[in-house]
Amino acid sequence: KAGVTQTPRYLIKTRGQQVTLSCSPISGHRSVSWYQQTPGQGLQFLFEYFSETQRNKGNFPGRFSGRQFSNSRSEMNVSTLELGDSALYLCASSDDGTFGNTIYFGEGSWLTVV
Amino acid sequence: DQQVKQNSPSLSVQEGRISILNCDYTNSMFDYFLWYKKYPAEGPTFLISISSIKDKNEDGRFTVFLNKSAKHLSLHIVPSQPGDSAVYFCAASGNTGGFKTIFGAGTRLFVKA
Repeated sequence: KAGVTQTPRYLIKTRGQQVTLSCSPISGHRSVSWYQQTPGQGLQFLFEYFSETQRNKGNFPGRFSGRQFSNSRSEMNVSTLELGDSALYLCASSDDGTFGNTIYFGEGSWLTVV
Repeated sequence: DQQVKQNSPSLSVQEGRISILNCDYTNSMFDYFLWYKKYPAEGPTFLISISSIKDKNEDGRFTVFLNKSAKHLSLHIVPSQPGDSAVYFCAASGNTGGFKTIFGAGTRLFVKA
């Protein structure tokens, strides 16, 4: 079974631009979560989707948004990029995202904002 | 408010010895705990988990211990190998008002040959 796939792996954007990152979950998984990792900050929860509905959102500004499609694939978008948005963005999937459910990560998308 | 804390940013251990990584949590609603391992430029890889109804779970060289009264869990790696050198993240989930897994800041483990 293929793992979580994220595209693109690396990208460089300019301040003020926007970016869209894509995630294909493990086949059969219906929950997709997004995390941001910056040095020394661990993995910060962005949001979680299940059946095309956002069920939970972390403490990020409204510039960060996401969506999930009917095939469980997900995208996240960051508008009006700031230098501080430079980070590794990780997508994770699980069966249904309920408690006691293990999430599995993709390799991440490295975003550099210049 | 950090609900999952890994207070040791790094740990250095000799090959063959035991590595003990610690994690504390503050939210008593957490009922499922996980450990992930992360190499540079890769996504975190799931290692081992434990539910709150247990106090120990073992998988090969990896054992996780849970002390609910102290809100503390630890990961033991025995024996440690150079390939275990990575960042280890502790995570927790539960009926905290949403469907999310909360991570600690990570502990970088160095296993010296």
